[in-house]
Amino acid sequence: QQQVKQSPQSLIVQKGGISIINCAYENTAFDYFPWYQQFPGKGPALLIAIRPDVSEKKEGRFTISFNKSAKQFSLHIMDSQPGDSATYFCAASKVSNFGNEKLTFGTGTRLTIIP
Amino acid sequence: SQTIHQWPATLVQPVGSPLSLECTVEGTSNPNLYWYRQAAGRGLQLLFYSVGIGQISSEVPQNLSASRPQDRQFILSSKKLLLSDSGFYLCAWSVLYGTEASYEQYFGPGTRLTVT
Repeated sequence: QQQVKQSPQSLIVQKGGISIINCAYENTAFDYFPWYQQFPGKGPALLIAIRPDVSEKKEGRFTISFNKSAKQFSLHIMDSQPGDSATYFCAASKVSNFGNEKLTFGTGTRLTIIP
Repeated sequence: SQTIHQWPATLVQPVGSPLSLECTVEGTSNPNLYWYRQAAGRGLQLLFYSVGIGQISSEVPQNLSASRPQDRQFILSSKKLLLSDSGFYLCAWSVLYGTEASYEQYFGPGTRLTVT
């Protein structure tokens, strides 16, 4: 019920191409869906997030697409650059009565952008 | 602006030794605080979270404990480390704005723990 499934596990994309990472969730009570970017040896950094009342959110080259009926959301990185090479995690949460966001994370996608 | 610190950055400890990892947040009051563990090549597992001083909730049964002695300080401890405790430990924070919770959760730089 709390699981978030992420795919693919690894992804290689040519520079300038579009990177697409997919996530699916089971708990229909989830109401917040962030994506995190993590470089080796560093903590994850919040990249972009979406609420279920919109189907798409774009920030620069990063876009989240959200399909509530399918319980799926995806990250699209346009014009992918070598600096985008990192591990990406999707997550989902529901705010509790105490205002605590207990994020459930996907297993991560290692993205490599090749010249 | 808010800043989150973790120390030490790396730690090598023998099996059976105690552990104390510290996390502090600057620039905000009454944050929600979290401890996560990330095994090599894996996702993040929530270990503990705290909504206030002395208030700790454990997510998984384990060899670890957490304490929050001050509003912006969160400590992860163990009395006797196991080999399986090795991993990358991450502290995170989020904050309430009035009665509305902020959904955004921000991570610290992490502590790499190797139990030998």
